[in-house]
Amino acid sequence: QQPVQSPQAVILREGEDAVINCSSSKALYSVHWYRQKHGEAPVFLMILLKGGEQKGHDKISASFNEKKQQSSLYLTASQLSYSGTYFCGTVSNYGGSQGNLIFGKGTKLSVKP
Amino acid sequence: EPEVTQTPSHQVTQMGQEVILRCVPISNHLYFYWYRQILGQKVEFLVSFYNNEISEKSEIFDDQFSVERPDGSNFTLKIRSTKLEDSAMYFCASLLRQGATYNSPLHFGNGTRLTVT
Repeated sequence: QQPVQSPQAVILREGEDAVINCSSSKALYSVHWYRQKHGEAPVFLMILLKGGEQKGHDKISASFNEKKQQSSLYLTASQLSYSGTYFCGTVSNYGGSQGNLIFGKGTKLSVKP
Repeated sequence: EPEVTQTPSHQVTQMGQEVILRCVPISNHLYFYWYRQILGQKVEFLVSFYNNEISEKSEIFDDQFSVERPDGSNFTLKIRSTKLEDSAMYFCASLLRQGATYNSPLHFGNGTRLTVT
């Protein structure tokens, strides 16, 4: 079941903040965040596992709500290098499968000077 | 840092032809995946592979697709009779299971751009 991401696109000036949301209709085992630059492979940012968890590095952080159905990615004081498409990937089925990562449609972030 | 490598980087083929996309996962990884990304769209799960067999596959992965691990290092995706709509970037990914799969990041290769004419 594909997670829903919003917004679809964001345009920022350097130094501005952005929030990208990822939601599911049912509780998740985990949420993964990836960033993809044009023509490149997705690059792993972070995983959230526990309800209420928050984590991050540098000026990019994320949260996972208590019900484990919604995650947000926070980009503060954005830099030009933050430009790219951000995908959330969710694992909602652990059981007999490996809990495959299913990606949302992505949020295209453009940071302008 | 070890990485997933994919070859070729770009493959052009005619409709109806067979193609094989190749991947060398990170050497001590145990789980392997193929994802597809049509230009400008989301990354779509195709198939997962563990212990020399398919673990799970999506609706996209029909009888035209197959995967194989022919030796200890390569992991291949074969499309038997390509269609125009198979044109996409195909990403291979691998995973080292540490306790539970869901808490480990996927390591993606740089992808193979498949163009079907």
